[in-house]
Amino acid sequence: EAGVVQSPRYKIIEKKQPVAFWCNPISGHNTLYWYRQNLGQGPELLIRYENEEAVDDSQLPKDRFSAERLKGVDSTLKIQPAELGDSAVYLCASSLGAVDTQYFGPGTRLTVL
Amino acid sequence: AQRVTQPEKLLSVFKGAPVELKCNYSYSGSPELFWYVQYSRQRLQLLLRHISRESIKGFTADLNKGETSFHLKKPFAQEEDSAMYYCALSLGQGAQKLVFGQGTRLTINP
Repeated sequence: EAGVVQSPRYKIIEKKQPVAFWCNPISGHNTLYWYRQNLGQGPELLIRYENEEAVDDSQLPKDRFSAERLKGVDSTLKIQPAELGDSAVYLCASSLGAVDTQYFGPGTRLTVL
Repeated sequence: AQRVTQPEKLLSVFKGAPVELKCNYSYSGSPELFWYVQYSRQRLQLLLRHISRESIKGFTADLNKGETSFHLKKPFAQEEDSAMYYCALSLGQGAQKLVFGQGTRLTINP
């Protein structure tokens, strides 16, 4: 099995431009997470979905970040407009349920110039 | 506030030597703790969780509530243990809301 799939793997944009990241979780996994990992830091949770419902988005900067998980499978995380400080690795993870082991994707490395 | 502290950013030991990666946490609730590992060019993956009380790849970790610690130990390091290690605290049941430490890069010298 491929595991959690993320695309693109790398993205370079100029500040003020929009950017979107896509995640396809492991088949059958109801819970999906988006994390941001700044250089030299551990991952920080941005948002958690249970099926198509965002049940924890308290850490998501809602002025510029948005996310969706239509039909409770794939998910998209968007930043508009991007700022220099958004440069980071964006990780997607999925689990069978909220209390189960999380499986991480390879991440998308975003560079904002 | 909930926090996980890994005081060592870098740790270097020789093959065959004992390894201890330190992790301290701050949490008022009942803690559930995890160690995640990321090998070079691989994904972040779960190494072990304290409720399992098992040894994975020779690593063990004991939750010490008195010292609020969850140190990761291995008696004899192997070169393939070289990786980035993250300690994580769950704020809810199971692994639903994880707070990660900054990570420790472990290098095993031949």
